Amino acid sequence: AQKITQTQPGMFVQEKEAVTLDCTYDTSDQSYGLFWYKQPSSGEMIFLIYQGSYDEQNATEGRYSLNFQKARKSANLVISASQLGDSAMYFCAMREGTSGTYKYIFGTGTRLKVLA
Amino acid sequence: NAGVTQTPKFQVLKTGQSMTLQCAQDMNHEYMSWYRQDPGMGLRLIHYSVGAGITDQGEVPNGYNVSRSTTEDFPLRLLSAAPSQTSVYFCASKDRGMNTEAFFGQGTRLTVV
Repeated sequence: AQKITQTQPGMFVQEKEAVTLDCTYDTSDQSYGLFWYKQPSSGEMIFLIYQGSYDEQNATEGRYSLNFQKARKSANLVISASQLGDSAMYFCAMREGTSGTYKYIFGTGTRLKVLA
Repeated sequence: NAGVTQTPKFQVLKTGQSMTLQCAQDMNHEYMSWYRQDPGMGLRLIHYSVGAGITDQGEVPNGYNVSRSTTEDFPLRLLSAAPSQTSVYFCASKDRGMNTEAFFGQGTRLTVV
């Protein structure tokens, strides 16, 4: 069965340092997509970055990059130069299924605290 | 551009009461879905719809009904609320592209007493 695993319930990082949030996935599909969302204390879900299973290069969006290791089934989020505003819950998600279904599976999240 | 709008933002229900959580999107997205978020469990899919008139069950559909009469609206109905349905509910929409992200509403915090 498809599954997303985030093994770090909480993480601390010093301001301006880089941090890696872990995500592993399990799927038998050849075509899938991996997403990261940020949920600040205000509660909304903010899309950060996407990686397709056929993408050969790791995705990057500003200070966010996705370390995609297909053979290991991992899709870790790297945040460079952490800022206080990065303190939030982070969810890894996988889009399963092909055209017409688009079910998303979410991990349990990692709470990141950036220290001044 | 309002995006995905959920109402209400907060609600307290008594056990056995019914209510409808509203969700509307103005992006002409075909795909809409409802999730519940519980501590330590991430987001779990309740129901989803791939277009007007088409709905299907997700991971945790029991106790919830949905309908999709228009592209814009996707209400979630609780027919007889139970304390186990105390949660934060999110509605999301996306376009038909396989690799595009879902847009989420602000969430509805529901407490059943």
